[in-house]
Amino acid sequence: SQQGEEDPQALSIQEGENATMNCSYKTSINNLQWYRQNSGRGLVHLILIRSNEREKHSGRLRVTLDTSKKSSSLLITASRAADTASYFCATDTDDYKLSFGAGTTVTVRA
Amino acid sequence: DSGVTQTPKHLITATGQRVTLRCSPRSGDLSVYWYQQSLDQGLQFLIQYYNGEERAKGNILERFSAQQFPDLHSELNLSSLELGDSALYFCASSVEPGNYEQYFGPGTRLTVT
Repeated sequence: SQQGEEDPQALSIQEGENATMNCSYKTSINNLQWYRQNSGRGLVHLILIRSNEREKHSGRLRVTLDTSKKSSSLLITASRAADTASYFCATDTDDYKLSFGAGTTVTVRA
Repeated sequence: DSGVTQTPKHLITATGQRVTLRCSPRSGDLSVYWYQQSLDQGLQFLIQYYNGEERAKGNILERFSAQQFPDLHSELNLSSLELGDSALYFCASSVEPGNYEQYFGPGTRLTVT
């Protein structure tokens, strides 16, 4: 079974707009990671946020983590056509396995 | 380019056959992970190796096995293949297990006919 669940399943936005997606998980974690996948290709690591961190930035990406609510969000600012992809959250628990959610498919319209 | 290489990129084979997928981790990474991605199951963790030793097992079928060699490359062996084994198989690597980013290879697309 999947530990994380992303919301929404799909998102369509205009170029230049911000995109926000959320991830909820069930058990305590060591860290939570966000990945991007373009059309059946390999996953690209975006950000890792540890359980004792609340917010992290990387370029146009902002990730928050609320361990009390067992949730995380990924914000992509000023979206570009190249941001069109599926985004996955993955939780890393004590048994060193990454559990992935079903992903959010983001489409950025020109 | 993540630095993780996987061969072959595509594999088409028949039911009942056996195949071997190969993975070379990023330079310096000691931990290797295998994942299966299918339309119905999503991304599923299969197995993890660290410095040649099996460290964690996920939803890996008994027909599947893996190993990590002294040069740290890894192989995933899939036998008695069924139509439902058709999927993308990813290898990932990290410096050590736990609390580190995993870097994914481009995947091997397996089609069982």
